Amino acid sequence: NAGVTQTPKFRVLKTGQSMTLLCAQDMNHEYMYWYRQDPGMGLRLIHYSVGEGTTAKGEVPDGYNVSRLKKQNFLLGLESAAPSQTSVYFCASIADGGKETQYFGPGTRLLVL
Amino acid sequence: SQQGEEDPQALSIQEGENATMNCSYKTSINNLQWYRQNSGRGLVHLILIRSNEREKHSGRLRVTLDTSKKSSSLLITASRAADTASYFCAPKKGGSYIPTFGRGTSLIVHP
Repeated sequence: NAGVTQTPKFRVLKTGQSMTLLCAQDMNHEYMYWYRQDPGMGLRLIHYSVGEGTTAKGEVPDGYNVSRLKKQNFLLGLESAAPSQTSVYFCASIADGGKETQYFGPGTRLLVL
Repeated sequence: SQQGEEDPQALSIQEGENATMNCSYKTSINNLQWYRQNSGRGLVHLILIRSNEREKHSGRLRVTLDTSKKSSSLLITASRAADTASYFCAPKKGGSYIPTFGRGTSLIVHP
């Protein structure tokens, strides 16, 4: 199993550009999450999904959209990137509500100029 | 919010010493987990302790939980340079599936 993978690993955007971050897991997990991590701020939850076709807002959802069209994939979109979205983005998944351990991807570093 | 708050924010020790970091939270929980994050990497699960447990061991890790004080501690014994990382706690309420994380404790172990 590859576990949780993220694409791309690193990206530079100009303000106003759009992009999509892809998270894929091959563990048949129900729940998936997107976090951002900024220096000194810990991890903050952006959006999450409790199953295929579902999404919900987390702590800092503004400026982001997500989709979970397939169970194994969770996409995070930035429609119009801003410098404040410069961060490291982590995806995570959990098997289901009864199995609590989160599995994290390696992260995507995003720089918005 | 069930977010945990780790303390201290930073800890610097010599190899061979023990490292203790603490986590406090505000609501009643079903379990609490500890994760490690090496620089530039994703978080890795270390250990889970349930609300009806007081202490749990895994190798050189010892976790305690005091639900009356809403606090947990992670002890790493005989630390190694490879233990250098950030450590996060994630308290979780029953029925919730939204783990949240604090700012972590940054541990540096000097060889």
